Amino acid sequence: GQSLEQPSEVTAVEGAIVQINCTYQTSGFYGLSWYQQHDGGAPTFLSYNGLDGLEETGRFSSFLSRSDSYGYLLLQELQMKDSASYFCAETDSWGKFQFGAGTQVVVTP
Amino acid sequence: ETGVTQTPRHLVMGMTNKKSLKCEQHLGHNAMYWYKQSAKKPLELMFVYNFKEQTENNSVPSRFSPECPNSSHLFLHLHTLQPEDSALYLCASKLAGGPSGANVLTFGAGSRLTVL
Repeated sequence: GQSLEQPSEVTAVEGAIVQINCTYQTSGFYGLSWYQQHDGGAPTFLSYNGLDGLEETGRFSSFLSRSDSYGYLLLQELQMKDSASYFCAETDSWGKFQFGAGTQVVVTP
Repeated sequence: ETGVTQTPRHLVMGMTNKKSLKCEQHLGHNAMYWYKQSAKKPLELMFVYNFKEQTENNSVPSRFSPECPNSSHLFLHLHTLQPEDSALYLCASKLAGGPSGANVLTFGAGSRLTVL
C-alpha cells in the first residue's frame, strides 16, 4: 500500500521558519507535491519535486531525497496568512496522486 | 476562483435520496478526479478520468457513480448514501501526461455533503 506521514500540527510565530516533513512508502514513486488549503477553501498547488534537491518559490521551498523516501516544505518569514493546512502528495507514473493527512500550521503574532 | 467550479457548494440529503454533484473546468485539462475529504484524514482518491475514460476506481462503493461526458465536466451521482459518507467532495483536474503542468492538480472549492 501507500502511505504518507506528516506531523498533524505545527505552531510558530510571525517571521519564524517552519519545516514540515513528509515521508512516503510507495512503489512506482514519481514525484512529491505540496498543497495549501485554507479553511473552507480549495487545496492550491505550492511546489513539486521530481528530482532530488531543493525547489525554491519565494518564501516557500521544497526538498526531496528519493534515497530516504523523504521530503519537506520550508515556510520562511511566516505571515499570519500562512495559517492553513499543508498536504504532501506523491504522484506515481500513472498520474495518480495520494495525499497525506495534512499539517495544520498555526501562526501566532 | 481556481478555474474548477463545483456545484452545489452545500448539500443535505436523506439516505434514500438521489442527488448529483457537478464539476466543471475550462482550463483545457483532460484528466479529472474526485476526492473525498474527511476531518483529520488524508484526501481519499475516489475516481480518475483521463480523456473521458475512467482509469481509476479506488474501491469506491457503488452508491457513488461517476460520469464524465466530456473532458470539461465531471459528475458524481449519489444514491442511498450513509451518514459516514458526509464529507467534503473535491473535484480536481490537470493535464494528462506531457511535460510541465502535468504534475499540478487544480482543485475546486468542494461540495460539502451532509447525509442525515
